[in-house]
Amino acid sequence: GEDVEQSLFLSVREGDSSVINCTYTDSSSTYLYWYKQEPGAGLQLLTYIFSNMDMKQDQRLTVLLNKKDKHLSLRIADTQTGDSAIYFCAEISGGYQKVTFGTGTKLQVIP
Amino acid sequence: DTAVSQTPKYLVTQMGNDKSIKCEQNLGHDTMYWYKQDSKKFLKIMFSYNNKELIINETVPNRFSPKSPDKAHLNLHINSLELGDSAVYFCASSQDSWEGYTFGSGTRLTVV
Repeated sequence: GEDVEQSLFLSVREGDSSVINCTYTDSSSTYLYWYKQEPGAGLQLLTYIFSNMDMKQDQRLTVLLNKKDKHLSLRIADTQTGDSAIYFCAEISGGYQKVTFGTGTKLQVIP
Repeated sequence: DTAVSQTPKYLVTQMGNDKSIKCEQNLGHDTMYWYKQDSKKFLKIMFSYNNKELIINETVPNRFSPKSPDKAHLNLHINSLELGDSAVYFCASSQDSWEGYTFGSGTRLTVV
């Protein structure tokens, strides 16, 4: 199957950590991604992780990958109001290296 | 300079009309894509072109026809527009797909 599932909505207070979760289905996925979409804009690539890694850290962002459970998460430390957006996970797989996007999680940061 | 630019940004048209959306990228990427985002924000790939050659063609009505005159341009023509075609259409490009995509800012199509 090609469904990449995410919870629809997450609300956090400014300064707290946010954790956005994603479950993917293709065990042969080689790369997994996190994108951010602000209102009225296109998607912006935040970070990606290769499937042989368990964790990747990039400033306030930490990506965790559990291949056994096909679970990907994005932790945003010290969440700011500017982090309010929709976050999409995505996986790449298939002969033509097609990217399949998750259902998106809307992050609301409360001041 | 905008890396991936789409025109128009907004498009309101009546059912049955034919319309086109244009996309240009100045990144020198070999591959370009069209995605459709519905009202629930779900993104689905429609087409992918690599160096002017069609490589992905998902289950899309044949009223949708992509055209790539060169590797920097990928246009989308839609015939006989229907209410269900209302969505935001995103163009994207990549050099190697594993590096991730660069997206345009989208074209919001409203069919009335």
